[in-house]
Amino acid sequence: GQNIDQPTEMTATEGAIVQINCTYQTSGFNGLFWYQQHAGEAPTFLSYNVLDGLEEKGRFSSFLSRSKGYSYLLLKELQMKDSASYLCAVRDRGGSQGNLIFGKGTKLSVKP
Amino acid sequence: SAVISQKPSRDICQRGTSLTIQCQVDSQVTMMFWYRQQPGQSLTLIATANQGSEATYESGFVIDKFPISRPNLTFSTLTVSNMSPEDSSIYLCSVVRELWGTYNEQFFGPGTRLTVL
Repeated sequence: GQNIDQPTEMTATEGAIVQINCTYQTSGFNGLFWYQQHAGEAPTFLSYNVLDGLEEKGRFSSFLSRSKGYSYLLLKELQMKDSASYLCAVRDRGGSQGNLIFGKGTKLSVKP
Repeated sequence: SAVISQKPSRDICQRGTSLTIQCQVDSQVTMMFWYRQQPGQSLTLIATANQGSEATYESGFVIDKFPISRPNLTFSTLTVSNMSPEDSSIYLCSVVRELWGTYNEQFFGPGTRLTVL
């Protein structure tokens, strides 16, 4: 079956660093996505990994290990506005036709 | 990024009625997707809509319940038919923007929040 696991909730302090982990078991793999979703809003694209390694985009970095079925999203210099749900999603087939399989999301709360 | 708009943004409907949700994209895209996000849950793909062909539905979703139109490369509609309270959900339109090779990004519209009484 298809399965994406990530922690349900996390709490961190403003200015700190937080790592959100995601493990996956899918029938195929053609990329892993991270999205940010604020309450009541649509998901916003953060990052895409298809090869092993670290992708850095400003305060956000995403890491992928295909052999381990593992990814993490690293958020640095946390700000209050980073309080949101973070969704891990795997595309299970090639090209644009692959379905994005979503995890249930990790609700991150940033405290002052 | 792709700019995606949806109409309506929200609606409250009576059981047994139908609602058609519109999705408009600011550029031509080959594939459009319709997702559902039930309260407290993650996103589930309903169907993939290609221009000029029948939509492809995921397991658990059927055309009679969720008919889809894709008349051109920038527009699609999803109809939620014969609604019941279990259909209360956020419905999201999504598109893929291929950048180069196999690298692509997937964007979501703002969603339509549906409540069925």
